[in-house]
Parts: sequence; structure tokens; C-alpha cells
Amino acid sequence: ETGVTQTPRHLVMGMTNKKSLKCEQHLGHNAMYWYKQSAKKPLELMFVYSLEERVENNSVPSRFSPECPNSSHLFLHLHTLQPEDSALYLCASSPSRGAAYNEQFFGPGTRLTVL
Amino acid sequence: QKEVEQNSGPLSVPEGAIASLNCTYSDRGSQSFFWYRQYSGKSPELIMFIYSNGDKEDGRFTAQLNKASQYVSLLIRDSQPSDSATYLCAVLTDKLIFGTGTRLQVFP
Repeated sequence: ETGVTQTPRHLVMGMTNKKSLKCEQHLGHNAMYWYKQSAKKPLELMFVYSLEERVENNSVPSRFSPECPNSSHLFLHLHTLQPEDSALYLCASSPSRGAAYNEQFFGPGTRLTVL
Repeated sequence: QKEVEQNSGPLSVPEGAIASLNCTYSDRGSQSFFWYRQYSGKSPELIMFIYSNGDKEDGRFTAQLNKASQYVSLLIRDSQPSDSATYLCAVLTDKLIFGTGTRLQVFP
């Protein structure tokens, strides 16, 4: 596989469920990101990992828990979500978070629906 | 508040015309500027980036940057129906901040 992959592509879960989103990048990049995209709103940056270290957490509720076991893999663990958390969750990677030319490449996203 | 502003559209242009997409940003310390294309139901795809004042051309696409006016634009020449998508402007300060996007419709 090439680029950035995400699984699952679609997820429906109840508010009491626990699930995880997975992202894998095959680009040799050092930084990985989780974004939330809701209708009519800009992409919202949730978490940033650079060389497996979390460098940013944008006031995201604790019901979202990221994990980055290595520079190629990124997870988003979900528990006790709310219906307003329904959105498209996008993973992205870039060569380096601090570089001037921070070109981010996105995965296909996970469409999450919370019932 | 660091912001990136875009007109939500839709911007409708006939096939073969030039589509002009505009973006303004609030942080004068912004370093790099990106245009992403997002088809309905798909993820954003990087199509252009620019970091110096002036124009940068890549095929039918031209990005224009004016840091003094805090303005960046994307021109699409010879627009095709396949260009119909939402175009996201993104600005790099200490992080990448996205606008809400402009929906472009190219009609035959």
C-alpha cells in the first residue's frame, strides 16, 4: 500500500461503546495528525505527533485518546462519545512538523456516526 | 484568533473559463500557504503550495501570494467539470490552519 491509509472507513457506534481508529502512513514521514471535519466547519486539528511524541493537543475532550506506537502508525481510541462527535476523522502525515513547507498528505478518512 | 477566510460559494463558472478562488488570513507571521482540493465524500488532496510573494504556476493552476495584503488566491485556467470540488486554503503559522473552503462548480 502507498500513501496514508485509514481503517475502518465507516463506523457506527453507540455512546457506551469503545472503538479505535487506525492510521498508517507509508511515506517515511515523521509527523502525523488527527483532524475532525464536520459539515460547514473548517478542519479542526485534534492531535499532532512528531517522531512519536505528542506535540499538540487542541483542547480535545478526554473521550478521544490518541496513541502513536511508532512513526508509521497512529490510533485514535474512542469511548463514551456523544452524537455531536459524529464527523469525518482524517489522519494526515507530513515530512516534518517544524519544516517551513509542511505539506500534509491525508488519508481517506473514517466516517463516524455516534447513535 | 488566527483565522483563514474563504467565500463558501458556490462559485459557478462555465467550462473553459478561468476560476478564481480567494483566501485571506489574519496572522502576518504566516509562512507557507497551501491549496487543497476536496471532492465530495473524499479527503483533501494537496494541489499547490506557495511561500514567496508572486505567482507560482503548475499546469492549469496558478497560486498567487500577496503577503502585504494577506491574500492568497488560486486560479484554474480552462476549467473542466472534473474541477468541481471544494477548495480549501490552508495557512501555516505555528500549525496548519484551514479555511472552510470554497465550492466550485464548473458547468458544461
